[in-house]
Formats: sequence, structure tokens, C-alpha cells
Amino acid sequence: DGGITQSPKYLFRKEGQNVTLSCEQNLNHDAMYWYRQDPGQGLRLIYYSQIVNDFQKGDIAEGYSVSREKKESFPLTVTSAQKNPTAFYLCASSIGEPGELFFGEGSRLTVL
Amino acid sequence: GQNIDQPTEMTATEGAIVQINCTYQTSGFNGLFWYQQHAGEAPTFLSYNVLDGLEEKGRFSSFLSRSKGYSYLLLKELQMKDSASYLCAVLDSNYQLIWGAGTKLIIKP
Repeated sequence: DGGITQSPKYLFRKEGQNVTLSCEQNLNHDAMYWYRQDPGQGLRLIYYSQIVNDFQKGDIAEGYSVSREKKESFPLTVTSAQKNPTAFYLCASSIGEPGELFFGEGSRLTVL
Repeated sequence: GQNIDQPTEMTATEGAIVQINCTYQTSGFNGLFWYQQHAGEAPTFLSYNVLDGLEEKGRFSSFLSRSKGYSYLLLKELQMKDSASYLCAVLDSNYQLIWGAGTKLIIKP
């Protein structure tokens, strides 16, 4: 079955550590996105990529980094520079322009 | 600035009908989307409106008025499994999705 797989589902990190969240899709979608979801707020875009080897910053890119070396993969690194990283992170993909997004199951990061 | 407003929480009874409203102020408009998100899970796409009017899909319908910057999601014959958050999102003139904070719908027996 086609879909998006995120891992890990739960992750704990100590302050000062970098952590990488995995996102893999087999939908053959060109565009991929990373969102952050916090209670009481709408989804906020961290980074997006519309094609391999290219990506753009979203609204809250500071403290995060991504790569897009393969069409299927769009990993997100949460660096120690991110001041408030505890959140639910969602990866998504779309065929072309954003709108009808297909989401992974999410990764919940907690900083201890 | 860009803004999308939805009620924070609504309660309805199993078998009844509920309407979830969404108002928006965005720089341009290229469509409005509704997503359903169960607690702790990922959002799933429900509907898309780009022209004024009502789009029906089974028990769910979505309405759009571009002149009023207004949409609603109508859920009929409510079932317990409809308990979830419902997210409204607008595609602006730059083809960026602007998301509302979501409406938590609680269904009571």
C-alpha cells in the first residue's frame, strides 16, 4: 500500500542534542513538507521541497534543517538551536501544488 | 496579516447534525480545504472548495462563500467516530496553505 512513513513515533531528547526525524513516501509525489503542530495553534510550515535536491524555508525554519537527496525521502533534523522543540511533527506530500496533502502518522518529540 | 478563525470546541449528539464554521482573511484565495484529525493521529483530507456553493460527499458537506470569506463543514447523522478535530486551511495567492487552529468536536451518546 502506498503511503508516508514517519519514524520514530515518539522521541525523547536531551537539551543540546540534535535529532533527525525520518519521512519516507512511496506515493511518487514530487512535493514534500514538514509541519509542526502545537496545542491551540494551526499547523506551521517548517520546510518544503517541490523537487529532488531543492527545498525552501517555511514560516518557522530557524533551528531546523532538511535534505532531499531522493524523491522518496525528506528527513528533518531538529538542531540544538531550536529553542522550543517539544512538539508534534508531521510530514506530508502532495502530487503538485499544496492542498490535498497526504500525511504521515507524525512524530512526537519531547525535550527533557 | 493572514488569519483563519474556527470555534475551539463544539459538542453534538450522536445522530444529530453539526455545522463547523470557518472564516478567513488571506492574501488571495486559491481554494479552501477541510481535514479531519483524530487525537494523536495525522490529518486526513475531507473536502476542497474553490467555487462558491455546496460540495456534498456522503454524510459530509462543505460550503464556500468567497465574497464573505466564509466556509462551513456540515456533518450529518453524527457517529461516535466523528469525534475529532476539524481543520480549515486556505491556499493563498502564493499557493501556501494557511491553517486554522482546528475545531475539536465532541460527540455525546
